[in-house]
Amino acid sequence: DAKTTQPTSMDCAEGRAANLPCNHSTISGNEYVYWYRQIHSQGPQYIIHGLKNNETNEMASLIITEDRKSSTLILPHATLRDTAVYYCIVGKTSYDKVIFGPGTSLSVIP
Amino acid sequence: NAGVTQTPKFRILKIGQSMTLQCTQDMNHNYMYWYRQDPGMGLKLIYYSVGAGITDKGEVPNGYNVSRSTTEDFPLRLELAAPSQTSVYFCASSKTRRSFMDEQYFGPGTRLTVT
Repeated sequence: DAKTTQPTSMDCAEGRAANLPCNHSTISGNEYVYWYRQIHSQGPQYIIHGLKNNETNEMASLIITEDRKSSTLILPHATLRDTAVYYCIVGKTSYDKVIFGPGTSLSVIP
Repeated sequence: NAGVTQTPKFRILKIGQSMTLQCTQDMNHNYMYWYRQDPGMGLKLIYYSVGAGITDKGEVPNGYNVSRSTTEDFPLRLELAAPSQTSVYFCASSKTRRSFMDEQYFGPGTRLTVT
């Protein structure tokens, strides 16, 4: 199984960019990198995903290193509503003990 | 669209009781999932379905059953509830399957306490 490693917690000042790292050194060539977040007591929310190229959508940007062993989720202008637990998941093409681990708890500070 | 809806929002069960957690999606998604989340932990997959009439086990299926008679509904059945099943249960659905975690949409969750 490709596993992910994320910092337990991070702080970010409101209005600044939040950069959340994820290591996935055993990722396979056909595995996507997914980011979800979970705001307290709510269901998880899909943010973005990528395979090789950097990706951007209305919520965030995803930067994947050339060797694909790590990635960074960027929230360009963090707001208080971005305070949440952020999960980095390496997606399998089929179910194989999907790892939805403890994630990174991001606190956006006024 | 209401998205993914779950009922009930909260429930307290006594040990040995049974109940069904309801999940409905109105996005015409073929793929549906049930997860549980214990306090301070990530999510664990209980069961999933790739279409009506097709279900399969996830990581922690013991003590649960599912059925998928329609595209919209994916109920989760707890038989003989045990304290270890105290958790928050999330239902999710997805349209595409380039990868297992592809853009899943989650419901608001059901908080279950077994005493």
